[in-house]
Parts: sequence; structure tokens; C-alpha cells
Amino acid sequence: EAQVTQNPRYLITVTGKKLTVTCSQNMNHEYMSWYRQDPGLGLRQIYYSMNVEVTDKGDVPEGYKVSRKEKRNFPLILESPSPNQTSLYFCASSLSGLQYYGYTFGSGTRLTVV
Amino acid sequence: GENVEQHPSTLSVQEGDSAVIKCTYSDSASNYFPWYKQELGKRPQLIIDIRSNVGEKKDQRIAVTLNKTAKHFSLHITETQPEDSAVYFCAARTPGGGNKLTFGTGTQLKVEL
Repeated sequence: EAQVTQNPRYLITVTGKKLTVTCSQNMNHEYMSWYRQDPGLGLRQIYYSMNVEVTDKGDVPEGYKVSRKEKRNFPLILESPSPNQTSLYFCASSLSGLQYYGYTFGSGTRLTVV
Repeated sequence: GENVEQHPSTLSVQEGDSAVIKCTYSDSASNYFPWYKQELGKRPQLIIDIRSNVGEKKDQRIAVTLNKTAKHFSLHITETQPEDSAVYFCAARTPGGGNKLTFGTGTQLKVEL
């Protein structure tokens, strides 16, 4: 089954404790991206990657890191989480190129930083 | 950068009525406009999309219209059913950021019996 897999689904952590949210897709998509969803703000892009070893900042990158060492994986790293990073996070992937496509989203990770 | 505004933020309709959600975008270079449906506690899922060389697209009870001159696009749901209740997001793709989608802030649609 074609899918984007995120882990964990729920995470409660303390301020300053490094964490990683994993994202993996099995559709051979070039493009992957992380979004955060907050009430009243919709979905905002954190980082994206157009292919292996190619990453770039989105609209709200502060406090986050990413890496793309393999095509299928795109982990999101919070080196020192703070309460304002409490949010619902979605990983997404798509084909890219001259034809553009909608995203396939992961199931989401609800992060609470206390 | 691109800015997408979405209205209304909440919409309540009676079962069987039509629902319309409107979005405007700021970047005239935007060329792809998908709509996502997000049920409570679930991931957003693509329900319909339209490219900038097309003015209207229909898929059963849902349709999307695009007015490039005015830079706005709309989602139309006819004969609404309770299972249409969800949050709907519009989005616009802007060239230059790979396949970046800029999303609207969402519309909570409630279909009442």
C-alpha cells in the first residue's frame, strides 16, 4: 500500500530534550515536506526537500532541522524543543517535475512540549 | 511569498443543500490549486485539484472553479451529506519552491440533519 508513515503519533516531552519525528514514504517520491498545523493558522511549511541531500527552509523553520540522506526518509529534528513548538505535525510527499501533484500526507504527530 | 485567504472559517448547511468555500491567492504565478478534506483526528486528503489552464473541474458532487484574473478559486459541494462534515483546506502552488503548497486557514463544514 502506498503511504507516508510517521512516528510517533503522539509525543509528550520536556523543554530542551532533543527529539526526532520520523517520516518514510514508499512511493519513490522526490519531494518531501514537513508542515505544522495550528488552530486558526492552517498548515504552515517548516522544511522541504526536492531530492536526496537537497533541503531548504519553508515559512517557519526556526527551531527545526531536517535531513534527507535517503529518498524514502525525511526526519524532523527538534534539537531543543520549546512549548511554542507544541503542535500537530504532518509529513507529506509528492512527485515533482514539470507536472505537479497534490501531497500524500502522513497520519500526523501530535507533539506536546511542557 | 504567496498568501492564501480562505472564507468562511465555519459553514453550517442543511443536508441536501449546497456549500461553497472561497479562496483568494496573491501570487499570479501560482499554477496549481488542490483542495484537501480533513476529518477529525485524521490526515488531510486530496479531494480535487485544478491547474491554471483550466477554469472548472467536476467530480461527482464536488467541483472547483478558478478565476485567474481575479486570483480566486472556489469549492462547490452539492447535495451535502453528513459525511461531508470536515475541515476543508484550499492551497496554491507557487513556482520556485519545488512543489510547495501554501494553505488557507481552513473551513469547518458542518452538515446538519
